[in-house]
Amino acid sequence: KAGVTQTPRYLIKTRGQQVTLSCSPISGHRSVSWYQQTPGQGLQFLFEYFSETQRNKGNFPGRFSGRQFSNSRSEMNVSTLELGDSALYLCASSLGDSGNYGYTFGSGTRLTVV
Amino acid sequence: QQQVKQSPQSLIVQKGGISIINCAYENTAFDYFPWYQQFPGKGPALLIAIRPDVSEKKEGRFTISFNKSAKQFSLHIMDSQPGDSATYFCAANTDSWGKLQFGAGTQVVVTP
Repeated sequence: KAGVTQTPRYLIKTRGQQVTLSCSPISGHRSVSWYQQTPGQGLQFLFEYFSETQRNKGNFPGRFSGRQFSNSRSEMNVSTLELGDSALYLCASSLGDSGNYGYTFGSGTRLTVV
Repeated sequence: QQQVKQSPQSLIVQKGGISIINCAYENTAFDYFPWYQQFPGKGPALLIAIRPDVSEKKEGRFTISFNKSAKQFSLHIMDSQPGDSATYFCAANTDSWGKLQFGAGTQVVVTP
């Protein structure tokens, strides 16, 4: 059974640019969550999508957005990149049913903003 | 404001020893407490998890102890091995759709 796939693995972008990251969940999983991991702030929740709808959102500015497609694949977008957006971006998939908390993480996309 | 506080930040243990990591939380609505293990360059991997109606759960060399009244839970790694060297995160969740609240992490180094 394939795991959670995130692409690309590494990205280097310039301040002011925008970036799109992709996440393919485990087959059958309908929920995709996104997290930002930095040495200073640790793992912070960005948002969660279920059946193409954003179900929950963390405390990040509107420059961070996401979407989910009918096949459960998800993308997150960061516009007007800032140096502080440099981080490991992780997505996690789960069945998404109430009370089912089996989250599986991908290996992440390492974003560097210069 | 971190809802889950984890300690210590790092620890060094000899092969065969016991590693103990502690976490505390405030939100009594949390009803799921997982531990994740993360190796460099990889995403966190679920190690073991517990619900608040259970005081202890053991899977192989890994044990979670849960104290609901104290709002604390801990991970014990028995017979620690060099391959256990990783960063460990505790987390907590309510039925709030994908929003795991993570502790700050503990870097564990097991010396041969």
